[in-house]
Amino acid sequence: DSGVTQTPKHLITATGQRVTLRCSPRSGDLSVYWYQQSLDQGLQFLIQYYNGEERAKGNILERFSAQQFPDLHSELNLSSLELGDSALYFCASSGPYAAGGADEQFFGPGTRLTVL
Amino acid sequence: AQKVTQAQTEISVVEKEDVTLDCVYETRDTTYYLFWYKQPPSGELVFLIRRNSFDEQNEISGRYSWNFQKSTSSFNFTITASQVVDSAVYFCALSAGDYKLSFGAGTTVTVRA
Repeated sequence: DSGVTQTPKHLITATGQRVTLRCSPRSGDLSVYWYQQSLDQGLQFLIQYYNGEERAKGNILERFSAQQFPDLHSELNLSSLELGDSALYFCASSGPYAAGGADEQFFGPGTRLTVL
Repeated sequence: AQKVTQAQTEISVVEKEDVTLDCVYETRDTTYYLFWYKQPPSGELVFLIRRNSFDEQNEISGRYSWNFQKSTSSFNFTITASQVVDSAVYFCALSAGDYKLSFGAGTTVTVRA
């Protein structure tokens, strides 16, 4: 158990819908990262937050957004869903320092999103 | 830009054989960090090891060992005396000061009893 929690574990929805994925980092970690894992794209970095502020952005679509709240949990919002958004979405945390990529990231169990 | 290449797609071995996973990376940064993660069939990503670009000393941790060579931009990982529980997808990853992890495509390891 990495100490990172993600809910829900599975999500099935229809095209055009909007969903919210939730992540709670390990106790004491200030950085939260979101990744998408799909068969065709592999593991792709989406976005990172550090202590409530956006720190880095990757291949995140404009239909996707995220935020980190004062209690450090994070939410990833996916809207206008398409079939191609079906994937496993991971949250990871590290810290408590923004060490420029030096820290190992600990991953949650993931949320499997299926868009029908 | 960072790039990680894992040329081996799948490796199948019999229990107790050694398994070596290849990883080649590309980065223009002089300071960077290399990682290996394991993804068992249950789906979670498990951190295994980390190495920084200034430390080429190769180590052994239990049944895991790694060979980091800056001259060839390689960061290979070996499982000694493999066990069925080692069956998983193994990812090599690179971080070069921009916080994100760039992952390779992964190598699926199957250990047969």
